[in-house]
Amino acid sequence: QVHLQQWGAGLLKPSETLSLTCTVLNGSFSGYYWSWLRQPPGKGLEWIGEINRSGGANDNPSLKSRVSISLDTSKNQFSLSLTSVTAADTGVYYCARQRPYGYTFGQFDLWGQGTLVTVSS
Amino acid sequence: DIQMTQSPSSLSASVGDRVTITCQASQDIDDSLNWYQQKPGKAPKLLIYETSNLESGVPSRFSGSGSRTNFIFTISSLQPEDIATYYCQQYENLPYRFGQGTKLEIK
Repeated sequence: QVHLQQWGAGLLKPSETLSLTCTVLNGSFSGYYWSWLRQPPGKGLEWIGEINRSGGANDNPSLKSRVSISLDTSKNQFSLSLTSVTAADTGVYYCARQRPYGYTFGQFDLWGQGTLVTVSS
Repeated sequence: DIQMTQSPSSLSASVGDRVTITCQASQDIDDSLNWYQQKPGKAPKLLIYETSNLESGVPSRFSGSGSRTNFIFTISSLQPEDIATYYCQQYENLPYRFGQGTKLEIK
């Protein structure tokens, strides 16, 4: 069964760079978009950004160009980099698959297990 | 950006009750709306896509309706395993946005 496995550093200091990677296991990488989302403690979900099979990416303007999403198709992996983190970036980070539906890729139908990232001095 | 407003933010109901959650978009999103269920400590799970389509394997007591700016999520007969937080999400325009969530509890 297809699933997403994610990993990365869970404790960062302010101004450091958050780095997370997600691998697609037992499934195809092509034909989907791939996203990162996050959830601050006790709060709702925020979309961070997406990347497609060709490497084209979009991100949430609220993150003020601190986001970089890349992919390694040879490893069925995609990665998130978020620079200059502050305490406001603390939360659970999820990778997710976006399936095609009509002309859109707006449904997150498969999620990673989540990684708690804490930013603290 | 399109803002999504969910109500109520929390809800207490009895087993067997009909439960309704509403989601309002700040502008017309046609039918580009999904609903997710999130249980504590778990990733969200897609329940309803494109306003009213039931995801494979999801019980038929869950349903969705609406269009343009006003959407409704319904559980026809609440079960104990439905205790979770529910989120709507628009995908008409980037950035994708979620409602603030509705926490459902058993009375």
